[in-house]
Amino acid sequence: GESVGLHLPTLSVQEGDNSIINCAYSNSASDYFIWYKQESGKGPQFIIDIRSNMDKRQGQRVTVLLNKTVKHLSLQIAATQPGDSAVYFCAEKVYSGGGADGLTFGKGTHLIIQP
Amino acid sequence: NAGVTQTPKFRILKIGQSMTLQCTQDMNHNYMYWYRQDPGMGLKLIYYSVGAGITDKGEVPNGYNVSRSTTEDFPLRLELAAPSQTSVYFCASSQEASQFFGPGTRLTVL
Repeated sequence: GESVGLHLPTLSVQEGDNSIINCAYSNSASDYFIWYKQESGKGPQFIIDIRSNMDKRQGQRVTVLLNKTVKHLSLQIAATQPGDSAVYFCAEKVYSGGGADGLTFGKGTHLIIQP
Repeated sequence: NAGVTQTPKFRILKIGQSMTLQCTQDMNHNYMYWYRQDPGMGLKLIYYSVGAGITDKGEVPNGYNVSRSTTEDFPLRLELAAPSQTSVYFCASSQEASQFFGPGTRLTVL
């Protein structure tokens, strides 16, 4: 079946540097993508989302880039802080006019912040 | 708002036992979901509901049942627990596409 995957299982960055977490998806019908942050022992926390009619969206310290041509999604975190240490998941869905149907999750990237 | 709440936080079951994982949301969301997360993996959809009285299977429904008698509650039932059901279970809700997750229930079946 089709799936969402991540290129790297672990990413280590220096505090204050920018982080880039990548995600490849294979379902060409997917038109909605979300990034989640999951801290140890907690549920996934929504970070930012993007629809397929956009190629970039910015939030507070985060930017998501979508390249539909190569089916690639990235999450950029500016000025990484210790509190950013977590596992980051990308998720996709075929947006069916609402919330129906679940999300398809990738395996996750563990972001480690070096002091 | 409390958001999405789940009980219990932890549970150990013996093979063949049954239990119900509780999920409640106070955001008046129509859509609710159950996922399981195995170690080092992403989440997989078990069941979902688009409103009270309506449920549907996700990717991995075998061994589970759900009901949705109210907008707020979406319990997940395990009838005959098996070791393969050892996992962390997350409930989520949404009004549109963005889903909000509860803190999870860690279940071990021995």
